[in-house]
Amino acid sequence: RKEVEQDPGPFNVPEGATVAFNCTYSNSASQSFFWYRQDCRKEPKLLMSVYSSGNEDGRFTAQLNRASQYISLLIRDSKLSDSATYLCVVNRGSTLGRLYFGRGTQLTVWP
Amino acid sequence: DTGVSQNPRHKITKRGQNVTFRCDPISEHNRLYWYRQTLGQGPEFLTYFQNEAQLEKSRLLSDRFSAERPKGSFSTLEIQRTEQGDSAMYLCASSPRTGRADTQYFGPGTRLTVL
Repeated sequence: RKEVEQDPGPFNVPEGATVAFNCTYSNSASQSFFWYRQDCRKEPKLLMSVYSSGNEDGRFTAQLNRASQYISLLIRDSKLSDSATYLCVVNRGSTLGRLYFGRGTQLTVWP
Repeated sequence: DTGVSQNPRHKITKRGQNVTFRCDPISEHNRLYWYRQTLGQGPEFLTYFQNEAQLEKSRLLSDRFSAERPKGSFSTLEIQRTEQGDSAMYLCASSPRTGRADTQYFGPGTRLTVL
């Protein structure tokens, strides 16, 4: 079983739409959670960390459910520039550097 | 540019040849990671250095792969006797001496194509 499972999509939405991505992780010892964004043929870049209480950064809201081992990302008022692959990432503890990535969910926002 | 740099950006080689990639982390970042990403998949961890010490290696890092970080600054990843299955993007990341090891900054990657 993979450490992190994500629906690969693709998701195709119009500008202004709200879209949600989900992922699940298999290791209950996981302690840190992130969403990364990866543009085509570019390196992954940290979008936001995910905290147990949920957190928001502008149009982006991330949620964590430790009991269900489930992570979500909500994007409101989608922009064309949001088109990218969104990677769900977990770590088993901040002293251990290894990151476990999901396969990513592809998003295309159309005008 | 003070980000993570990787060279070369692209490498095309024939099966059976050896290749070496270089990663220069952000200045004074003492933690360095290598990942591999194949098409349609997320990056997969290969190995981790803290200073010059290689502290963790993935099972993906077969005996044809070797990574070094001799002076605790730049790192090299060598693949011997390349196979077509080695074709992938090889990503390097670094994180600072203080703070969380899971806060990693990625370089642009080296894209390897094995013919």
